[in-house]
This record gives sequence, structure tokens and C-alpha cells, in this order.
Amino acid sequence: EVQLLESGGGLVQPGGSLRLSCAASGFTFNSYAMTWVRQAPGKGLECVSLISTSYSTYYADSVKGRFTISRDNSKNTLYLQMSSLRAEDTALYYCASDMRKPYDYWGQGTLVTVSS
Amino acid sequence: DIQMTQSPSSLSASVGDRVTITCRASQGIGNDLGWYQQKPRKAPERLIYGASSLQSGVPSRFSGSASGTEFTLTISSLQPEDFATYYCLQHNSYPWTFGQGTKVEIK
Repeated sequence: EVQLLESGGGLVQPGGSLRLSCAASGFTFNSYAMTWVRQAPGKGLECVSLISTSYSTYYADSVKGRFTISRDNSKNTLYLQMSSLRAEDTALYYCASDMRKPYDYWGQGTLVTVSS
Repeated sequence: DIQMTQSPSSLSASVGDRVTITCRASQGIGNDLGWYQQKPRKAPERLIYGASSLQSGVPSRFSGSASGTEFTLTISSLQPEDFATYYCLQHNSYPWTFGQGTKVEIK
């Protein structure tokens, strides 16, 4: 059974940092690009970042320079290091596998709240 | 960045109705488009990939089509479990972008 389990969310003050993790199981993790998708409360979906199988990285303009995506294939784990957090980064953060493939997998999300 | 303009933003329909949702891309994306359904407090689930291929396990009342930069999701006969929010996603070029969403509500 495929599982993506996010962790690391929580309450953080503006300007603070947080690292999200996504533990993957049940599929060949190193064969998939991986993404972080977020959803602000009551809002739509936004692709925040992607990391390819060859470790190329891509970021939405809204997070460029503040967020860093990485992966550890030996641990089947995806990460998102978030710094200089702003109130508008408050969202449920999902990790998801490569949406270009015939099958894609999503976690249940981890909530990040940026507030003083 | 490629903009995905999705319409309508919401609609009210009855069980048994035919429902159509449209996404228009700001530039050509081939068939690099998926349709997702999201229910409250749940992660999105893909219904259609490659613009018109039905995801395994998804009921055949869902279908997708493409004409140039316009993409359509059709629900042929709306069922009670279909009341949800639907999103298109283009994955042709980075950053991948979602449409704004269409909330399908009960009339």
C-alpha cells in the first residue's frame, strides 16, 4: 500500500523557520519526481515546489529564495525547509508524487500556521 | 507562467444532471492536464490524466476532453458523492499551475 506521511507542521512566528518531512512507502521513491502542494484555508491549490529524480528543483515565485526542497532516497523521504515565513504561508502542505505519471499519490497534509 | 482559467467558480446542480467544467490555458500545454476532485478535509484525488484518460477506479460518468488550449471535464449524470470541488492542473511547464477550482453544490 502506498503511503505518504507528512510531518513537521505547526505554529511559527512570522520570520521563523520550519522543516516539513514526507515519508514515502509502497512505491519506488527514487523513480518519482516529488512535489509540495499547499492550500491556504478556504482557498485553492498551489504547487509550491518540485524536485526531480535527478535533483533538479523548481519553486513557485511566491516561495523562491525562502523555501528549499530536498530528498533523501536512502530514507525515502522528501523535505521542505521553509524560512522567512509569512502569514500568507499559512496553509495545509501536501506532498505528492509526480503528477505526470499515470498514477499519483498524495499525503493527508500537515498544517503550517504563521502567526504571532 | 502558464495561467489556467477555470470556469465556472461554482455551480448548483441536481442529481442526474450533466455537468461541464472548463479550463483554458494561457498557452499551449499539449495534453499535459489532469482533473482532480477534492472533498472537504481530504486530499485531492485525480479523476483524469493526460486530458482525457480515466484514472483507474474512477466511474465512467467522468470524462475529459481537449480542444487546443481548452479542456473540459464532464460528469454525465451527477451522483450524490460527486458534490465536491474540482481543479484542473497543467504539468507542461514549471511552475505547474492549478485552476482556481469549481465547487459543485446541490441544487
